[in-house]
Amino acid sequence: QKEVEQNSGPLSVPEGAIASLNCTYSDRGSQSFFWYRQYSGKSPELIMFIYSNGDKEDGRFTAQLNKASQYVSLLIRDSQPSDSATYLCAVNRVTGNQFYFGTGTSLTVIP
Amino acid sequence: DTAVSQTPKYLVTQMGNDKSIKCEQNLGHDTMYWYKQDSKKFLKIMFSYNNKELIINETVPNRFSPKSPDKAHLNLHINSLELGDSAVYFCASSQVGWGGYEQYFGPGTRLTVT
Repeated sequence: QKEVEQNSGPLSVPEGAIASLNCTYSDRGSQSFFWYRQYSGKSPELIMFIYSNGDKEDGRFTAQLNKASQYVSLLIRDSQPSDSATYLCAVNRVTGNQFYFGTGTSLTVIP
Repeated sequence: DTAVSQTPKYLVTQMGNDKSIKCEQNLGHDTMYWYKQDSKKFLKIMFSYNNKELIINETVPNRFSPKSPDKAHLNLHINSLELGDSAVYFCASSQVGWGGYEQYFGPGTRLTVT
């Protein structure tokens, strides 16, 4: 079983719609959860992190965490073509300071 | 003023050679990492290192070795390169501390082994 699993997509949404990206993780000891965006040929860049159950909002982005279900999601409201990228979910176990990334979900926002 | 920098950006070499990739961060972070991203875009951690502890992913061949001359630098040395080593290698850094642990990535080094 992979540490972090994501639907690879591709996920296509029209401009202005809500894009929903999902991620599950296997280790209940995981404590911090991250969403990174990676444009083609570029390095990953952090969008948000969350470590408490519930929702965390930052502009058009909302991260949702449910530790009981071992599930974390990212919602992108009012999607823009510039949001088209691969979104990587990452999970951190403090013990050993290990990070595990999912395989990423490719998002295309159609103008 | 780049936060995390890597050199070279591209590296083309032949099988059997030994090569190094350099990484420097000017963020004052305690921990640095090396990741390998393969052709399927899977980002896999290879090493994490701070001034106290080196953690090696057990699946990484011992041909790969990190070398840290100081807290701001973590170089990756690869011996006897193989075709399967072709990938993009990312360096990253983070500040150890509760909560965030957000990592900042370098621009990547695209390694091609022929």
